[in-house]
Amino acid sequence: DTEVTQTPKHLVMGMTNKKSLKCEQHMGHRAMYWYKQKAKKPPELMFVYSYEKLSINESVPSRFSPECPNSSLLNLHLHALQPEDSALYLCASSQDPRTVTATNEKLFFGSGTQLSVL
Amino acid sequence: TQLLEQSPQFLSIQEGENLTVYCNSSSVFSSLQWYRQEPGEGPVLLVTVVTGGEVKKLKRLTFQFGDARKDSSLHITAAQPGDTGHYLCAGAWGTDKLIFGTGTRLQVFP
Repeated sequence: DTEVTQTPKHLVMGMTNKKSLKCEQHMGHRAMYWYKQKAKKPPELMFVYSYEKLSINESVPSRFSPECPNSSLLNLHLHALQPEDSALYLCASSQDPRTVTATNEKLFFGSGTQLSVL
Repeated sequence: TQLLEQSPQFLSIQEGENLTVYCNSSSVFSSLQWYRQEPGEGPVLLVTVVTGGEVKKLKRLTFQFGDARKDSSLHITAAQPGDTGHYLCAGAWGTDKLIFGTGTRLQVFP
C-alpha cells in the first residue's frame, strides 16, 4: 500500500462550523505534513509532524489545529474559518523526517480535500 | 524566507517542441526535487537531485542541478500532449522542510 488517503475529497462549510480533515497512510512513514494550495499556486507548508510530534508550524492561524493521534493518522481540525481559507488541503508523508532530503526519500501526497468556506 | 522562483510561469507549445523550465533561488539547497501535479490531485515526485552539477534523465526529461546548488532546470525533449501539467520544483532546507517553487503550467497541443 503506497497510498496516502484523504477524506473527505470535498468539503463545504460555513464560517461558524467545526469540521475535521483526515489523512491516513499505512506505509510506516514517520513524518506527516499538511500543505495548503490555493488555485493555480504552489503548495504552501503548514505543519510537519515528526514521530507523532509537531516539529514545524509555519505560523498558521490557530483556527487550524493539527493532531497526530498515531503514526498512521493525521487530522486537521477547522474552526471559525474565513472564506480566504478556501483551498486544496494536501496531506503528505515521508519515511523518515530526518532524511526527507536524501536521494531516495520523497513525499507521498494524497489527492487532497477541496475546501470551500462560505 | 526561502523563495524558489520558477520560469516561465506558463508555457504553451506544440507537440514535438523542446522546452526548459528553470528553478532559481538565492539560497543553497541541500537537495531539490521536481514534482508534477494534475488537476485535483497531489504532486507526484519525478526526481531528486542532490549533488551540485548532477544531471538525471527520465525518458525525455532531463533534470540538472546547478553547480552551486542554488538552481535547477527541467528540459523536455519532443514534448507530447501527455506532458501537459503543473511542474513544481521543491527545495529542501534542513532535514524535514520542503518548500515548493512558484510552479510552471505547461500545455502541449497536438
